[in-house]
Amino acid sequence: GAGVSQSPSNKVTEKGKDVELRCDPISGHTALYWYRQSLGQGLEFLIYFQGNSAPDKSGLPSDRFSAERTGGSVSTLTIQRTQQEDSAVYLCASTPTGGSSYGYTFGSGTRLTVV
Amino acid sequence: AQRVTQPEKLLSVFKGAPVELKCNYSYSGSPELFWYVQYSRQRLQLLLRHISRESIKGFTADLNKGETSFHLKKPFAQEEDSAMYYCALKTNAGKSTFGDGTTLTVKP
Repeated sequence: GAGVSQSPSNKVTEKGKDVELRCDPISGHTALYWYRQSLGQGLEFLIYFQGNSAPDKSGLPSDRFSAERTGGSVSTLTIQRTQQEDSAVYLCASTPTGGSSYGYTFGSGTRLTVV
Repeated sequence: AQRVTQPEKLLSVFKGAPVELKCNYSYSGSPELFWYVQYSRQRLQLLLRHISRESIKGFTADLNKGETSFHLKKPFAQEEDSAMYYCALKTNAGKSTFGDGTTLTVKP
């Protein structure tokens, strides 16, 4: 696609429910990143996919969080048994490769509210 | 481990005044530094990269390895520059570390 697409744009869920957030990167981009942006804070790294390599999951805050990337394209971030502290904007970004010189192209984010 | 510090959470200047948004980093390797900007109700977007040594929308940033800084500067601020600015460091591992951001307000 022309840009990074994320869906849904907004999600309100009840505490304890599972949610799935979707990211469709720019076509041909092999590197995909998930970040979390909480109110008044910076971007917190969650997970990074590069091609067929094993993902870097070092930023996932707990085992309630998981992500997969199917066919080297679309990615889904799943949060199980959501908690109120999971409320944040979840951002996805992609780059042509995992090379350090590429800046990110971000999606518009999914605003998750856990009530 | 790498770290990015943006010491100013809020910065306010008058239109036409110079502006400098500070960014300091710590990283033992050779970093790639970036500035990102988020205008109101828009998505986060890349502003500039140190490697390209470019000027975008009148902004420049010079990497100072001695002071481990990558400050963003513009000689004459405009009202449309009001936004949230993030400094980021990217390593060979591919992922980036972001600062907490600086909200710039340019007053008329």
